[in-house]
Amino acid sequence: GAGVSQSPRYKVAKRGQDVALRCDPISGHVSLFWYQQALGQGPEFLTYFQNEAQLDKSGLPSDRFFAERPEGSVSTLKIQRTQQEDSAVYLCASSLGQRGDTQYFGPGTRLTVL
Amino acid sequence: AQSVTQLDSHVSVSEGTPVLLRCNYSSSYSPSLFWYVQHPNKGLQLLLKYTSAATLVKGINGFEAEFKKSETSFHLTKPSAHMSDAAEYFCVVSRGDMRFGAGTRLTVKP
Repeated sequence: GAGVSQSPRYKVAKRGQDVALRCDPISGHVSLFWYQQALGQGPEFLTYFQNEAQLDKSGLPSDRFFAERPEGSVSTLKIQRTQQEDSAVYLCASSLGQRGDTQYFGPGTRLTVL
Repeated sequence: AQSVTQLDSHVSVSEGTPVLLRCNYSSSYSPSLFWYVQHPNKGLQLLLKYTSAATLVKGINGFEAEFKKSETSFHLTKPSAHMSDAAEYFCVVSRGDMRFGAGTRLTVKP
């Protein structure tokens, strides 16, 4: 497809479970971003990749959150030992060039932790 | 440091009337400014982008925004609302990393 895709679209996890969220960016896009959007709020930055390098992970809320992009295309956001406060929509975005370029967003994964 | 404030959490208009969604920004340097729209269960879609080329920016679907440095504002307008415009709108300031406002929910009444 032409846009950013994410899977799964919905995920329900029991507290303490590990989850993995996938992002397929637009083909050829160098930069990839993850955001967390809590209910009724704007998205908040989690982490940024340029190709396979994770250049900024300052927004990751705890060491339970881990992201990778090993081949510079698909990215996975992993959350270990999920907590109720992790419930949110996780958005992925990609941009053609470096960080300041226009970002194109995927539909998001809605994570609910029970 | 940079931040953005959307002055209204909810705006309600009648179909065919003008839309005004207000945004003020704070940035130490000249920022890039964006408006994104988010329809339910869909991804954020770029409406328009300001990068200092022109103060009046035209976007998709008849939206436009005016950058006013003296007022540190970047308000979004549309002359005539359509039912399909009902959505959540986000103002974003960027100097590399993007900072989103809390969003304005636009309701369009028939």
